[in-house]
Amino acid sequence: DTEVTQTPKHLVMGMTNKKSLKCEQHMGHRAMYWYKQKAKKPPELMFVYSYEKLSINESVPSRFSPECPNSSLLNLHLHALQPEDSALYLCASSQDLGWTDTQYFGPGTRLTVL
Amino acid sequence: GQQVMQIPQYQHVQEGEDFTTYCNSSTTLSNIQWYKQRPGGHPVFLIQLVKSGEVKKQKRLTFQFGEAKKNSSLHITATQTTDVGTYFCAGPTSDTGTASKLTFGTGTRLQVTL
Repeated sequence: DTEVTQTPKHLVMGMTNKKSLKCEQHMGHRAMYWYKQKAKKPPELMFVYSYEKLSINESVPSRFSPECPNSSLLNLHLHALQPEDSALYLCASSQDLGWTDTQYFGPGTRLTVL
Repeated sequence: GQQVMQIPQYQHVQEGEDFTTYCNSSTTLSNIQWYKQRPGGHPVFLIQLVKSGEVKKQKRLTFQFGEAKKNSSLHITATQTTDVGTYFCAGPTSDTGTASKLTFGTGTRLQVTL
């Protein structure tokens, strides 16, 4: 099974709402990632977890809060977002954080902030 | 920080024509990875090149890693409508020297018409 799943597929939220994005993988991968992708742009790394610990935070605003409850799950908690945060949010996983470890992406959550 | 540029930004070809996208990094890469993202989809891993001057083929796709490990190319022979999508190269970088993260190229969007 080489699948990464993400829920929900689409999300519309107001600027005062609190919501969460969920990601799951059952490949035994030890590294998980959150990316943000705007239209016609490459994915931009937000967070990296390795062995359930936050390894990299790319200076992401605190209105985005990641959480890794266990080795298979990754959440992204959203609070007080801005309209410019509307984007496709992609989760990915890899075997580890090695230089040659390839990343497997989930289908993404398309987020719209009103 | 590391920058990875791709040219062209966009190419429109007739089915059956060849297509090439070029990837250039501002720094030497330990390896280069290529991903394809269909319209409305998520990035899907295609291949990884590790050795200087390496060439790999996947059916009609030919991938090449430059001798200096700072550039790469993807060539598609006799394009088909199924080749439509955005092609990203990506190279690992590290701020800490241990954990690596992928820096994606700017992408080349390919449109194929009959």
